[in-house]
Amino acid sequence: DAKTTQPPSMDCAEGRAANLPCNHSTISGNEYVYWYRQIHSQGPQYIIHGLKNNETNEMASLIITEDRKSSTLILPHATLRDTAVYYCIVRVPEYNNNDMRFGAGTRLTVKP
Amino acid sequence: KAGVTQTPRYLIKTRGQQVTLSCSPISGHRSVSWYQQTPGQGLQFLFEYFSETQRNKGNFPGRFSGRQFSNSRSEMNVSTLELGDSALYLCASSSGQVNTEAFFGQGTRLTVV
Repeated sequence: DAKTTQPPSMDCAEGRAANLPCNHSTISGNEYVYWYRQIHSQGPQYIIHGLKNNETNEMASLIITEDRKSSTLILPHATLRDTAVYYCIVRVPEYNNNDMRFGAGTRLTVKP
Repeated sequence: KAGVTQTPRYLIKTRGQQVTLSCSPISGHRSVSWYQQTPGQGLQFLFEYFSETQRNKGNFPGRFSGRQFSNSRSEMNVSTLELGDSALYLCASSSGQVNTEAFFGQGTRLTVV
């Protein structure tokens, strides 16, 4: 799986958009970008994933650059409950392979 | 639909003992993976089971083992516990379809004293 690079921490004001970057310059053509988050002492929670097109769901939007070497997770209106560690993972989702390699992630703090 | 259930939630063991942790996946899910999370090493993949077979294994010593039953429930076992095994152990289940997400349980917090 390709390696990812994320900033260790970020702050965001409540109600504003949180933009979390991820660099994955060695991504290969069949690797997807997944985002998970982990709120303190809980299990990681799936947020969104994509291959090359931008994706949006009820939680967030995922913007992947045209060359696929980086992506941005956008939480459109951050709340205090979005404070968590956000992990960007690049992997090939073949069959049901759940072997995910987590990095250190970005600790997002949403402030009032 | 019930989520991933891990038992027990908390456990205290003594060095040298062994421990068994349990994970019940979401109904219908056939894949179960285990992860260890420590402050120093972060989230690390232990192993994955699919239809009772280990499909993948991380870089952990043989003291860490697991199995999966016909109902997809999984157990992991750690023998000869060391202080460094103190961690949050997380289990994730997935449906078996290509390109789907994994759902994590709340974890078992193991403390070795």
